[in-house]
Amino acid sequence: ILNVEQSPQSLHVQEGDSTNFTCSFPSSNFYALHWYRWETAKSPEALFVMTLNGDEKKKGRISATLNTKEGYSYLYIKGSQPEDSATYLCASPDNTNAGKSTFGDGTTLTVKP
Amino acid sequence: SAVISQKPSRDICQRGTSLTIQCQVDSQVTMMFWYRQQPGQSLTLIATANQGSEATYESGFVIDKFPISRPNLTFSTLTVSNMSPEDSSIYLCSVVAGTGQPQHFGDGTRLSIL
Repeated sequence: ILNVEQSPQSLHVQEGDSTNFTCSFPSSNFYALHWYRWETAKSPEALFVMTLNGDEKKKGRISATLNTKEGYSYLYIKGSQPEDSATYLCASPDNTNAGKSTFGDGTTLTVKP
Repeated sequence: SAVISQKPSRDICQRGTSLTIQCQVDSQVTMMFWYRQQPGQSLTLIATANQGSEATYESGFVIDKFPISRPNLTFSTLTVSNMSPEDSSIYLCSVVAGTGQPQHFGDGTRLSIL
């Protein structure tokens, strides 16, 4: 069984604060790691696809890093804005041809104006 | 990326009834999945919808409770049968372009059982 864990479960920050949260996964048989953003009343949307140890991806104020040897990924948000409020999910795709993914419980971020 | 239309977007149902959720994709895709998120829990895979054959269910999910159809490479349905309040969840269909690629989700069906 592949366990993907995220922390913290929820986070409340003020507008302008920078924040980060963690996704941990078993380091053996690593294949890839995906980050998603899930806004209320919308569907989850992929943010990053990470595959290589030491990967760092960036999209605007959001960035992510990957450590496959120790089995964790960090998501950073610089200068949080209210529109960043969402649940952030990480997922580990199956390393066979099945195409399915195992998701963490998510970190719900609330940014207060 | 594929455009996925899922309906209904939400419903409130009576205990003991069944609801069928539809998922339409604007292109042919091999890999299609059904997930659910119960309140306060993570996205959990229900089954892989296989075109032309029976769906592949994950542990804890059975065909009698969640029958799935996949008549072609662009369409699938999930039925939630004999519903109880524990079935109140968000149900999502998703497709994947290829192995290791991220999921693309429909907008979800928010289901409440009274």
